[in-house]
Amino acid sequence: GESVGLHLPTLSVQEGDNSIINCAYSNSASDYFIWYKQESGKGPQFIIDIRSNMDKRQGQRVTVLLNKTVKHLSLQIAATQPGDSAVYFCAETYGLTGGGNKLTFGTGTQLKVEL
Amino acid sequence: NAGVTQTPKFQVLKTGQSMTLQCAQDMNHEYMSWYRQDPGMGLRLIHYSVGAGITDQGEVPNGYNVSRSTTEDFPLRLLSAAPSQTSVYFCASTPGVGDSHNEQFFGPGTRLTVL
Repeated sequence: GESVGLHLPTLSVQEGDNSIINCAYSNSASDYFIWYKQESGKGPQFIIDIRSNMDKRQGQRVTVLLNKTVKHLSLQIAATQPGDSAVYFCAETYGLTGGGNKLTFGTGTQLKVEL
Repeated sequence: NAGVTQTPKFQVLKTGQSMTLQCAQDMNHEYMSWYRQDPGMGLRLIHYSVGAGITDQGEVPNGYNVSRSTTEDFPLRLLSAAPSQTSVYFCASTPGVGDSHNEQFFGPGTRLTVL
């Protein structure tokens, strides 16, 4: 029979509010963590990454927090705008040196910005 | 730069048919990867390459072949299409070196349906 896709968790926020998207990762050996944004019908777009030796990194309107103790990653978006509506994926990778760039993706969170 | 390009954008196959999904990048990136994305799920790595002449398997390689004869091109071949291969396929490239060595650039995707 046909398999049924998982329903993505959804986060609804008001325009102008801050958004926090969470992700739990599985591999304690992962040394890079990346957040991607995927708009409908498009490929994922890189937002920000963080090394495992850091616990916080800031970009333009975005901040990524890493808690290695509980293997948790979060993406904070300041002053959320309608253009931020998309599915957000966290990804982890390890073994960069000579090992390529193999990403393991989470299942994603749908962010909906309400006007 | 055109970035990462994929052809075709849409394809319908019958069970048992074979075809090649094309991927090209003009950024002189060393690393290239193929992912599949099923409804409501994150991307899963099929095959990847760390340079011309070098390929390796990802998480879900069965039923797919790749080759990397040039830095620019990384085609994905479906040997005998099955309904379980109905998915959206994304190609990505990564510099592999430099400050942004971990940033993956994704193509627009190929939507494949196998009847």
